[in-house]
Amino acid sequence: EVQLVESGGALVQPGGSLRLSCAASGFTFNMYWLHWVRQAPGKGLEWVANIKTDGSEYYYLDSVKGRFIISRDNGKNSLSLQMNGLRAEDTAMYYCMSLSLHKWGQGTLVTVSS
Amino acid sequence: QAVVTQEPSLTVSPGGTVTLTCGSTTGAVTSGHRPYWFQRKPGQAPRTLIFETTNKLSWTPARFSGSLLGGKAALTLSGAQPEDEADYYCLLCYSGPWVFGGGTKLTVL
Repeated sequence: EVQLVESGGALVQPGGSLRLSCAASGFTFNMYWLHWVRQAPGKGLEWVANIKTDGSEYYYLDSVKGRFIISRDNGKNSLSLQMNGLRAEDTAMYYCMSLSLHKWGQGTLVTVSS
Repeated sequence: QAVVTQEPSLTVSPGGTVTLTCGSTTGAVTSGHRPYWFQRKPGQAPRTLIFETTNKLSWTPARFSGSLLGGKAALTLSGAQPEDEADYYCLLCYSGPWVFGGGTKLTVL
């Protein structure tokens, strides 16, 4: 069974950093692009970033460019999102997702507040 | 980055037909934007209904269909059921980055 399990969400102060992880299983990890998507309280889904199968290509939402870094470890079947310079508007549930496999994780909550 | 537009809310009668649309501020939506449609119900993960404009998954009810219509991606629901009440999101690809629409809250009433 395909599974994506996020972790690492927490309460963090503005300007702080956080690293989210997504553990994958049940599929050939290095064959699929992967994405991070977030949903702020009371808001819609927002695409954040994606990364190619081998990690050589990646794209970001304009508002997170220069602050967030997406990466993957194909040896460990793991996807990460390093978030720096966090702002209140980054508060959201963060999901890792595979479009091709039509699979989402359950999400991990990031709260940016003093 | 582009803005993807959806109707904020729509209402359909049980058994009725409704079309949700997905536009782009950059111009006409084409198959090159690889439109996806997701259904989101409270407390559940989003579920893909349509991918790559028209393709359904094994769990996609036959009453849902995807198309391109008037320069937009479209999701048509024919024969609405009470269980179709949900939020619907489209997702478009812009040669690397993707953008979600703001979502349509569909009420079956």
